[in-house]
Amino acid sequence: RKEVEQDPGPFNVPEGATVAFNCTYSNSASQSFFWYRQDCRKEPKLLMSVYSSGNEDGRFTAQLNRASQYISLLIRDSKLSDSATYLCVVNRGGGFKTIFGAGTRLFVKA
Amino acid sequence: DAGVIQSPRHEVTEMGQEVTLRCKPISGHDYLFWYRQTMMRGLELLIYFNNNVPIDDSGMPEDRFSAKMPNASFSTLKIQPSEPRDSAVYFCASSTIDEQYFGPGTRLTVT
Repeated sequence: RKEVEQDPGPFNVPEGATVAFNCTYSNSASQSFFWYRQDCRKEPKLLMSVYSSGNEDGRFTAQLNRASQYISLLIRDSKLSDSATYLCVVNRGGGFKTIFGAGTRLFVKA
Repeated sequence: DAGVIQSPRHEVTEMGQEVTLRCKPISGHDYLFWYRQTMMRGLELLIYFNNNVPIDDSGMPEDRFSAKMPNASFSTLKIQPSEPRDSAVYFCASSTIDEQYFGPGTRLTVT
């Protein structure tokens, strides 16, 4: 079993749709959590950090459930420009041991 | 700031040759990371440094791989000898606290 698991998709949604991505992690010592976005043949870029209280940035909402070791990302009112791979990222405790999920591919169609 | 700089952007080499990948982190960042990305294995952390000191190299696949950070503004990842299975995109990233900033990557092809 991988330490960070994501649904690989792809998710094909129309513009304006709401889409949710899920991620689970197995190491209970994990301390910090992130969502990164990676466009085709580009480097990953931070989308948002994920806090226990949940956090929102415009159309994007991230949530963390430590008890269930589960992270989610919700995208509302999808845009064509949201088409990308979304990577769930976990830092293990005690340092910067960073584990990336395999990513979830999103296609937003006109 | 120019961001994380990596060179070369593309490298094609023959099996058995030595390959050296270079990275210049963002000034002031005290963490530097080397990753490898393939379709099969995704993005894997190879090694990371804090203040030029290697902290965790447990992701380095084997002794053919080595990484150095002689100063705060430069790091290398060396593969000697290279093998076809080393073909991948190699990313360097740097950070201060949490957010990691990635370079554009080096696409390595070993024939």
